[in-house]
Amino acid sequence: GNSVTQMEGPVTLSEEAFLTINCTYTATGYPSLFWYVQYPGEGLQLLLKATKADDKGSNKGFEATYRKETTSFHLEKGSVQVSDSAVYFCALRASGSARQLTFGSGTQLTVLP
Amino acid sequence: NAGVTQTPKFQVLKTGQSMTLQCAQDMNHEYMSWYRQDPGMGLRLIHYSVGAGITDQGEVPNGYNVSRSTTEDFPLRLLSAAPSQTSVYFCASSYSRADEHEQYFGPGTRLTVT
Repeated sequence: GNSVTQMEGPVTLSEEAFLTINCTYTATGYPSLFWYVQYPGEGLQLLLKATKADDKGSNKGFEATYRKETTSFHLEKGSVQVSDSAVYFCALRASGSARQLTFGSGTQLTVLP
Repeated sequence: NAGVTQTPKFQVLKTGQSMTLQCAQDMNHEYMSWYRQDPGMGLRLIHYSVGAGITDQGEVPNGYNVSRSTTEDFPLRLLSAAPSQTSVYFCASSYSRADEHEQYFGPGTRLTVT
Protein backbone atom coordinates (compact mmCIF):
# COMPACT_ATOMS: atom_id res chain seq x y z
CA GLY A 1 0.00 0.00 0.00
CA ASN A 2 0.90 3.67 0.02
CA SER A 3 2.83 5.18 2.90
CA VAL A 4 4.66 8.35 3.89
CA THR A 5 7.56 8.48 6.32
CA GLN A 6 8.62 11.75 7.93
CA MET A 7 11.60 12.53 10.09
CA GLU A 8 10.87 12.20 13.76
CA GLY A 9 10.33 15.38 15.71
CA PRO A 10 10.19 17.56 17.53
CA VAL A 11 12.55 19.96 15.80
CA THR A 12 13.71 23.08 17.63
CA LEU A 13 15.58 25.83 15.77
CA SER A 14 16.67 29.38 16.40
CA GLU A 15 15.21 32.16 14.30
CA GLU A 16 16.93 32.52 10.88
CA ALA A 17 18.25 28.95 10.96
CA PHE A 18 17.98 26.64 7.94
CA LEU A 19 15.19 24.07 8.05
CA THR A 20 14.98 20.63 6.48
CA ILE A 21 12.21 18.17 7.24
CA ASN A 22 12.73 14.86 5.47
CA CYS A 23 9.89 12.99 3.78
CA THR A 24 10.03 9.77 1.80
CA TYR A 25 7.17 7.83 0.31
CA THR A 26 6.10 4.46 -1.02
CA ALA A 27 3.46 4.36 -3.71
CA THR A 28 2.63 2.63 -6.96
CA GLY A 29 2.39 4.70 -10.08
CA TYR A 30 2.96 8.42 -10.03
CA PRO A 31 1.53 10.06 -6.90
CA SER A 32 1.15 13.77 -6.27
CA LEU A 33 2.96 15.06 -3.20
CA PHE A 34 1.94 17.71 -0.67
CA TRP A 35 3.10 19.51 2.43
CA TYR A 36 0.43 20.66 4.88
CA VAL A 37 0.94 22.90 7.92
CA GLN A 38 -1.11 22.90 11.12
CA TYR A 39 -0.83 25.93 13.39
CA PRO A 40 -1.83 25.50 17.04
CA GLY A 41 -5.55 25.01 17.48
CA GLU A 42 -6.29 25.06 13.75
CA GLY A 43 -6.98 22.63 10.94
CA LEU A 44 -4.45 21.73 8.26
CA GLN A 45 -3.63 24.15 5.46
CA LEU A 46 -1.98 23.30 2.17
CA LEU A 47 1.54 24.72 2.12
CA LEU A 48 2.81 23.50 -1.26
CA LYS A 49 2.46 20.67 -3.74
CA ALA A 50 4.17 18.95 -6.68
CA THR A 51 2.35 16.74 -9.12
CA LYS A 52 5.14 15.20 -11.19
CA ALA A 53 8.78 14.21 -10.94
CA ASP A 54 11.29 17.08 -10.69
CA ASP A 55 8.53 19.61 -9.96
CA LYS A 56 9.39 22.08 -7.23
CA GLY A 57 6.60 23.37 -5.02
CA SER A 58 7.14 26.64 -3.18
CA ASN A 59 5.20 28.97 -0.90
CA LYS A 60 6.01 31.46 1.91
CA GLY A 61 9.75 30.76 1.54
CA PHE A 62 9.31 26.98 1.83
CA GLU A 63 10.36 24.68 -1.01
CA ALA A 64 10.21 20.97 -1.78
CA THR A 65 11.30 19.07 -4.90
CA TYR A 66 9.64 15.87 -6.08
CA ARG A 67 12.50 13.36 -6.47
CA LYS A 68 11.25 10.14 -8.00
CA GLU A 69 14.66 8.47 -8.02
CA THR A 70 14.92 8.76 -4.22
CA THR A 71 11.13 8.76 -3.58
CA SER A 72 11.55 11.90 -1.51
CA PHE A 73 9.91 15.30 -1.03
CA HIS A 74 11.99 17.07 1.62
CA LEU A 75 10.75 20.42 2.93
CA GLU A 76 13.29 23.26 3.19
CA LYS A 77 13.36 26.90 4.23
CA GLY A 78 16.43 29.07 4.25
CA SER A 79 15.60 31.22 7.25
CA VAL A 80 12.83 30.25 9.65
CA GLN A 81 10.78 32.67 11.72
CA VAL A 82 9.03 32.26 15.06
CA SER A 83 5.73 32.35 13.16
CA ASP A 84 6.74 29.14 11.33
CA SER A 85 6.28 27.17 14.55
CA ALA A 86 3.69 24.53 13.68
CA VAL A 87 3.25 20.85 12.81
CA TYR A 88 4.18 19.95 9.24
CA PHE A 89 2.65 16.96 7.44
CA CYS A 90 3.89 15.35 4.26
CA ALA A 91 1.18 13.63 2.21
CA LEU A 92 0.67 11.85 -1.08
CA ARG A 93 -2.31 11.36 -3.32
CA ALA A 94 -2.05 8.14 -5.25
CA SER A 95 -2.81 7.83 -8.93
CA GLY A 96 -5.79 5.73 -9.94
CA SER A 97 -9.48 5.93 -9.19
CA ALA A 98 -9.39 6.16 -5.39
CA ARG A 99 -6.93 9.07 -5.15
CA GLN A 100 -7.12 9.37 -1.39
CA LEU A 101 -4.64 11.40 0.62
CA THR A 102 -2.15 9.45 2.75
CA PHE A 103 -0.41 11.44 5.49
CA GLY A 104 2.86 11.10 7.31
CA SER A 105 2.92 11.28 11.10
CA GLY A 106 3.78 14.98 11.25
CA THR A 107 6.82 16.90 12.49
CA GLN A 108 6.51 19.49 15.24
CA LEU A 109 8.69 22.55 14.56
CA THR A 110 9.42 25.12 17.25
CA VAL A 111 11.38 28.26 16.33
CA LEU A 112 12.90 30.20 19.21
CA PRO A 113 13.57 33.97 19.05
CA ASN B 1 -17.61 32.25 3.07
CA ALA B 2 -17.35 30.48 6.41
CA GLY B 3 -15.37 27.66 4.79
CA VAL B 4 -15.54 24.32 6.60
CA THR B 5 -17.21 24.46 10.00
CA GLN B 6 -17.30 21.73 12.62
CA THR B 7 -19.29 21.38 15.83
CA PRO B 8 -18.74 20.80 18.65
CA LYS B 9 -15.15 21.88 19.29
CA PHE B 10 -14.82 19.62 22.31
CA GLN B 11 -16.84 16.63 23.53
CA VAL B 12 -16.54 14.12 26.34
CA LEU B 13 -18.50 10.87 26.05
CA LYS B 14 -18.89 7.82 28.20
CA THR B 15 -18.24 4.40 26.69
CA GLY B 16 -21.31 3.18 24.83
CA GLN B 17 -22.83 6.61 24.22
CA SER B 18 -23.59 7.75 20.69
CA MET B 19 -23.17 11.15 19.13
CA THR B 20 -22.92 12.98 15.82
CA LEU B 21 -20.07 15.26 14.82
CA GLN B 22 -21.33 17.94 12.48
CA CYS B 23 -19.49 19.22 9.40
CA ALA B 24 -20.71 21.82 6.93
CA GLN B 25 -19.15 23.72 4.04
CA ASP B 26 -20.48 26.64 2.04
CA MET B 27 -18.14 26.39 -0.95
CA ASN B 28 -20.34 24.06 -3.03
CA HIS B 29 -17.66 21.37 -2.83
CA GLU B 30 -18.54 17.91 -4.10
CA TYR B 31 -15.88 16.00 -2.20
CA MET B 32 -15.96 15.78 1.61
CA SER B 33 -14.08 13.54 4.01
CA TRP B 34 -13.52 12.76 7.67
CA TYR B 35 -10.12 12.09 9.24
CA ARG B 36 -8.97 11.26 12.70
CA GLN B 37 -5.64 12.54 14.04
CA ASP B 38 -3.79 10.55 16.65
CA PRO B 39 -0.36 11.29 18.13
CA GLY B 40 2.46 9.90 16.00
CA MET B 41 0.09 8.62 13.33
CA GLY B 42 -0.77 11.60 11.18
CA LEU B 43 -4.29 11.77 9.75
CA ARG B 44 -6.19 8.66 8.78
CA LEU B 45 -9.21 8.68 6.51
CA ILE B 46 -12.44 7.39 8.08
CA HIS B 47 -15.10 7.96 5.38
CA TYR B 48 -15.49 10.12 2.35
CA SER B 49 -18.15 11.29 -0.09
CA VAL B 50 -17.83 12.30 -3.73
CA GLY B 51 -21.26 13.94 -3.82
CA ALA B 52 -24.71 14.01 -2.27
CA GLY B 53 -26.01 10.48 -1.74
CA ILE B 54 -22.61 8.84 -2.29
CA THR B 55 -20.32 7.73 0.54
CA ASP B 56 -17.50 5.23 0.87
CA GLN B 57 -15.15 3.84 3.48
CA GLY B 58 -11.64 5.04 4.10
CA GLU B 59 -8.79 3.44 6.00
CA VAL B 60 -10.41 3.23 9.47
CA PRO B 61 -14.23 3.12 9.07
CA ASN B 62 -15.20 0.71 11.86
CA GLY B 63 -17.43 2.24 14.54
CA TYR B 64 -18.43 5.22 12.39
CA ASN B 65 -21.31 5.95 10.03
CA VAL B 66 -21.77 8.79 7.58
CA SER B 67 -24.46 10.08 5.27
CA ARG B 68 -24.56 12.85 2.68
CA SER B 69 -28.10 14.04 2.10
CA THR B 70 -27.03 17.51 0.94
CA THR B 71 -23.93 18.94 -0.73
CA GLU B 72 -23.26 21.15 2.30
CA ASP B 73 -23.42 18.69 5.21
CA PHE B 74 -21.46 15.55 6.04
CA PRO B 75 -22.14 14.36 9.60
CA LEU B 76 -20.09 11.63 11.27
CA ARG B 77 -21.92 9.32 13.69
CA LEU B 78 -20.34 7.33 16.47
CA LEU B 79 -22.73 4.49 17.16
CA SER B 80 -21.34 3.25 20.48
CA ALA B 81 -18.31 5.22 21.62
CA ALA B 82 -15.19 3.38 22.75
CA PRO B 83 -12.01 4.75 24.40
CA SER B 84 -10.11 3.87 21.21
CA GLN B 85 -12.13 6.59 19.47
CA THR B 86 -10.56 9.29 21.62
CA SER B 87 -8.99 11.49 18.97
CA VAL B 88 -9.15 14.79 17.13
CA TYR B 89 -11.52 14.62 14.17
CA PHE B 90 -11.13 16.77 11.08
CA CYS B 91 -13.60 17.28 8.28
CA ALA B 92 -12.28 18.39 4.89
CA SER B 93 -13.77 19.38 1.57
CA SER B 94 -12.63 20.13 -1.96
CA TYR B 95 -14.18 20.78 -5.32
CA SER B 96 -12.95 17.39 -6.50
CA ARG B 97 -10.13 14.95 -5.87
CA ALA B 98 -8.07 16.46 -8.65
CA ASP B 99 -4.72 17.81 -7.54
CA GLU B 100 -5.48 21.37 -8.61
CA HIS B 101 -8.37 21.52 -6.17
CA GLU B 102 -7.09 22.24 -2.69
CA GLN B 103 -8.58 20.36 0.23
CA TYR B 104 -9.86 22.69 2.99
CA PHE B 105 -9.89 21.48 6.57
CA GLY B 106 -12.19 22.44 9.41
CA PRO B 107 -10.82 23.44 12.84
CA GLY B 108 -11.39 19.98 14.34
CA THR B 109 -13.40 18.35 17.11
CA ARG B 110 -11.49 17.01 20.11
CA LEU B 111 -13.32 13.93 21.42
CA THR B 112 -12.55 12.11 24.66
CA VAL B 113 -14.25 8.81 25.47
CA THR B 114 -13.99 7.70 29.10
